[in-house]
Amino acid sequence: EAGVTQFPSHSVIEKGQTVTLRCDPISGHDNLYWYRRVMGKEIKFLLHFVKESKQDESGMPNNRFLAERTGGTYSTLKVQPAELEDSGVYFCASSPVPYSPLHFGNGTRLTVT
Amino acid sequence: AQSVTQLDSHVSVSEGTPVLLRCNYSSSYSPSLFWYVQHPNKGLQLLLKYTSAATLVKGINGFEAEFKKSETSFHLTKPSAHMSDAAEYFCVMPHSSNTGKLIFGQGTTLQVKP
Repeated sequence: EAGVTQFPSHSVIEKGQTVTLRCDPISGHDNLYWYRRVMGKEIKFLLHFVKESKQDESGMPNNRFLAERTGGTYSTLKVQPAELEDSGVYFCASSPVPYSPLHFGNGTRLTVT
Repeated sequence: AQSVTQLDSHVSVSEGTPVLLRCNYSSSYSPSLFWYVQHPNKGLQLLLKYTSAATLVKGINGFEAEFKKSETSFHLTKPSAHMSDAAEYFCVMPHSSNTGKLIFGQGTTLQVKP
């Protein structure tokens, strides 16, 4: 089966611009998660979708971040406007049920200059 | 509050020697625990998991970990390091909400010298 796919793998944008990250989970996985690792810090939870519904968005840093999962398939994470502190690696993960180990994508490395 | 602490940010070993990556956890109950590995430019891959069955857990690529409740530890070991083991390793605990949300340790980078 195809794994979790993230696009792009790298993105370099200027402060104030908008970036949209995409995640395609494993087919049939209702649970989709976004995580982020900023430089020198641990990987932290951002939010969790069950199908198209946001189950938990307690980790979203502020309202510049908007995640969607229309139709319960792929998800996008938009950052608008981007700030320097948004730089880091954004991981997406999926699972068929919430308590099973997650399958992670390769991540998107975002650099805001 | 739940937390995971990886005691070493970097570990360097010679090929063929044992590997020990240390992890301590804090939780008000006996948790599940995982180790994930990330090779360069790859996603995180599950190495092994402890889910309250046997305290000694065997994973892929010859790794194993032992859950010690008295020490609140879940250290990762391998008898003999291989060059391909060079990667970053994460000790991970599921959040008590049981929604799949994970709590990560800070990560340990393993360097394997020839």
